[in-house]
Amino acid sequence: DSGVTQTPKHLITATGQRVTLRCSPRSGDLSVYWYQQSLDQGLQFLIQYYNGEERAKGNILERFSAQQFPDLHSELNLSSLELGDSALYFCASSGPSGGRYFGPGTRLTVL
Amino acid sequence: DQQVKQNSPSLSVQEGRISILNCDYTNSMFDYFLWYKKYPAEGPTFLISISSIKDKNEDGRFTVFLNKSAKHLSLHIVPSQPGDSAVYFCAASVGTSYDKVIFGPGTSLSVIP
Repeated sequence: DSGVTQTPKHLITATGQRVTLRCSPRSGDLSVYWYQQSLDQGLQFLIQYYNGEERAKGNILERFSAQQFPDLHSELNLSSLELGDSALYFCASSGPSGGRYFGPGTRLTVL
Repeated sequence: DQQVKQNSPSLSVQEGRISILNCDYTNSMFDYFLWYKKYPAEGPTFLISISSIKDKNEDGRFTVFLNKSAKHLSLHIVPSQPGDSAVYFCAASVGTSYDKVIFGPGTSLSVIP
């Protein structure tokens, strides 16, 4: 158990819809990262938050957004969903040592 | 353009033998490399890392070798065990700036009893 929790585990929705994925980092970790893993793809970095502020942006689509709340949990919002958005979405957190701890992921299926 | 490549999508090895997972990178600025292991329905977990000042790092059954001139690294697992069956991701970054870690596509290892 990495200490990072993600909800929900599975999400099935239709094209055009909007979903929110939630992540709670390990206790004390200030950084939260979001990754997307599509079929045959490695982990694609989407975005990082540090203590409530956006720190780095990767290959995140404009239809996607994220935020980190004062209690350090983070949400990834995916809107106007397309079939190609079906993927595993991982959240990771890191502390002062920089080591990255991944959550179990949310499997999103867009029908 | 993938900066971190793992050209073998899958690998099968007999239990007790050596597993060698390969990784190539294109960005010569990368100087910190990591391997992650992922079981189905779980997130990736950190396995081992190596800095570019070294060419080898060992942790128990796992050894990572780095060949900077060839921009190549490999993970050796000896002896391989059925519990090692998982997807292995190679990752690289410039320094330990964890913001910019780039992951490869992964290699699925099956260790056959």
